[in-house]
Amino acid sequence: KAGVTQTPRYLIKTRGQQVTLSCSPISGHRSVSWYQQTPGQGLQFLFEYFSETQRNKGNFPGRFSGRQFSNSRSEMNVSTLELGDSALYLCASSLAGTERGNTIYFGEGSWLTVV
Amino acid sequence: AQSVAQPEDQVNVAEGNPLTVKCTYSVSGNPYLFWYVQYPNRGLQFLLKYITGDNLVKGSYGFEAEFNKSQTSFHLKKPSALVSDSALYFCAVSGLNYGGSQGNLIFGKGTKLSVKP
Repeated sequence: KAGVTQTPRYLIKTRGQQVTLSCSPISGHRSVSWYQQTPGQGLQFLFEYFSETQRNKGNFPGRFSGRQFSNSRSEMNVSTLELGDSALYLCASSLAGTERGNTIYFGEGSWLTVV
Repeated sequence: AQSVAQPEDQVNVAEGNPLTVKCTYSVSGNPYLFWYVQYPNRGLQFLLKYITGDNLVKGSYGFEAEFNKSQTSFHLKKPSALVSDSALYFCAVSGLNYGGSQGNLIFGKGTKLSVKP
């Protein structure tokens, strides 16, 4: 069974640009969540989607957005990039989030560098 | 609010010795607790979780964790460390019941485990 797949793995963008990251969850998983990992802030929750609906959102500015498609694949978008957005962006999938203790599985991440 | 603390930034262990990576939590209600490992330039790999039941949970790669409700701890353990266990370890708690969330994890800051030959 294929794991969580994220594309692209590495990318470099310029301040002010926008970026779209893609995530394909494990087959059968309907919950997709996104996390940002930085050395200073650690792992921070961005948002979670379930059945194409955003179910929960972390404390990030509106420049960060996402969506989920009918096949559960998800994309996240960051507009007007800032240097501080440089991070590893991790996508994770699960059957239905952590309710009833479902395990969340992570992808390899997308490394974003903003210059 | 749910939170997790990993009091040690780094743990150093000799190969073959037992290892412990500490985690304490603060939750309202019954916790769902998780351990993940991250190797350099990789994503997070699931090791084990505690939902309910036995306080000693066994996971991947010979790791286990002990849930202690009175001490609100969920320490990760392994009887005999390997050099290949060297990595960054994260403890996490389900964000359930925190602001009405359903699917997120709240992570500790991580503990770097270094196993020397």
